[in-house]
Amino acid sequence: QSALTQPASVSGSPGQSITISCTGTSSDIGSYDLVSWYQQHPGKAPKLMIYEVSQRPSGISNRFSGSKSGSAASLTISGLRAEDEADYYCCSYVPGDILVLGGGTKLTVL
Amino acid sequence: QVQLQESGPGLVQPSGTLSLTCTVSGGSISNNNWWSWVRQPPGKGLEWIGEIYFTERTNYNTSLRSRVTVSLDTSKNQFSLNLYSVTAADTAIYYCARRGRLGESFDPWGQGTLVTVSS
Repeated sequence: QSALTQPASVSGSPGQSITISCTGTSSDIGSYDLVSWYQQHPGKAPKLMIYEVSQRPSGISNRFSGSKSGSAASLTISGLRAEDEADYYCCSYVPGDILVLGGGTKLTVL
Repeated sequence: QVQLQESGPGLVQPSGTLSLTCTVSGGSISNNNWWSWVRQPPGKGLEWIGEIYFTERTNYNTSLRSRVTVSLDTSKNQFSLNLYSVTAADTAIYYCARRGRLGESFDPWGQGTLVTVSS
């Protein structure tokens, strides 16, 4: 199972919106609406931000949103803040109880 | 609120076995969730290793399947990872996490533990 494809880096200024893409195949992202997104600050454990493509766990700001089209998913962060600067990873469930992660995207807030 | 904590040796000899334990607190390990291991080599991305259900059914990353075993100890509310025949490429931060409460996502995560493979 190949890793999902994410851009290595994205950047934006405070207050702007950015979108991080996550590209897979019909065997993973395209199979079910079971994409999740994680935020990881340096030296910290990953934190769940989005599950089931677009659902936010309790306590996660509505500035974070997710979507999916075909075999690609996206994470959008609106009203960018300095504390959003982190690495972001997408993850997809694959039929047969396999989980595949993306390579990660470094978000820089300018 | 469920919390997870990894424990185990920080240094393993090449060709040896990497063994880690994850202790679950604030909830029972014997419920409708998967208990997973994910690793992150220094400066690199996350890699799913494998997981176990309370029935002891397991799932593994196909690239690691031949070298991995995940097991469960319900009496101690713990689950464990054994990775055999390790090399320097297995040096990583190892995280344990719960999967299945929210879709098929990992939440929460342990703080992670660095394991270095070196002689």
